[in-house]
Amino acid sequence: AQKITQTQPGMFVQEKEAVTLDCTYDTSDPSYGLFWYKQPSSGEMIFLIYQGSYDQQNATEGRYSLNFQKARKSANLVISASQLGDSAMYFCAMRDTGTASKLTFGTGTRLQVTL
Amino acid sequence: DSGVTQTPKHLITATGQRVTLRCSPRSGDLSVYWYQQSLDQGLQFLIQYYNGEERAKGNILERFSAQQFPDLHSELNLSSLELGDSALYFCASSGFGLLSSTDTQYFGPGTRLTVL
Repeated sequence: AQKITQTQPGMFVQEKEAVTLDCTYDTSDPSYGLFWYKQPSSGEMIFLIYQGSYDQQNATEGRYSLNFQKARKSANLVISASQLGDSAMYFCAMRDTGTASKLTFGTGTRLQVTL
Repeated sequence: DSGVTQTPKHLITATGQRVTLRCSPRSGDLSVYWYQQSLDQGLQFLIQYYNGEERAKGNILERFSAQQFPDLHSELNLSSLELGDSALYFCASSGFGLLSSTDTQYFGPGTRLTVL
């Protein structure tokens, strides 16, 4: 069974600084996808970034980048130049490549950006 | 805006009642997924439909059922509601839903269900 672990319940970062949110995963499937979603206090789930298990390069999307270390089974999200609007819950998720394409989520990390 | 719509946004009801949550996927997406987010269980997959057919089931209670209609919108029916069913229910959609790890699920704004 797939498992996603996010060990940081909460993180603080100062505005304009970079922050890394940790995510480790466990799967026996050689082909998988890793996702990060942001959930602001308003509740919606916003897709941020995707990394495929066979991708050679780390994914980047604007200020978001994914530090993918396959041997360590980690997929950490790096947010550069933090903004107040980045304050939210962040979820790491893995997509099954079997017959079910469901997402398995971690427990999330609450990020608070301070002045 | 993800392009996925869900109605209603909020729902307050009593124990024992039945409710229906509605979801319209992004234009062109064939797969619809339902997830439940609660404080004690986190985000859990409930069920997936692909082009009108059930594709996969997760931790969905027998009191819950879903369907996807020919126009691809989906409904999640929750019956004999209990206090513990209070949660945020998300619908997500994706373009393929098949054996591809690259497919991204886009989430709707959610329906917050409160059972009193």
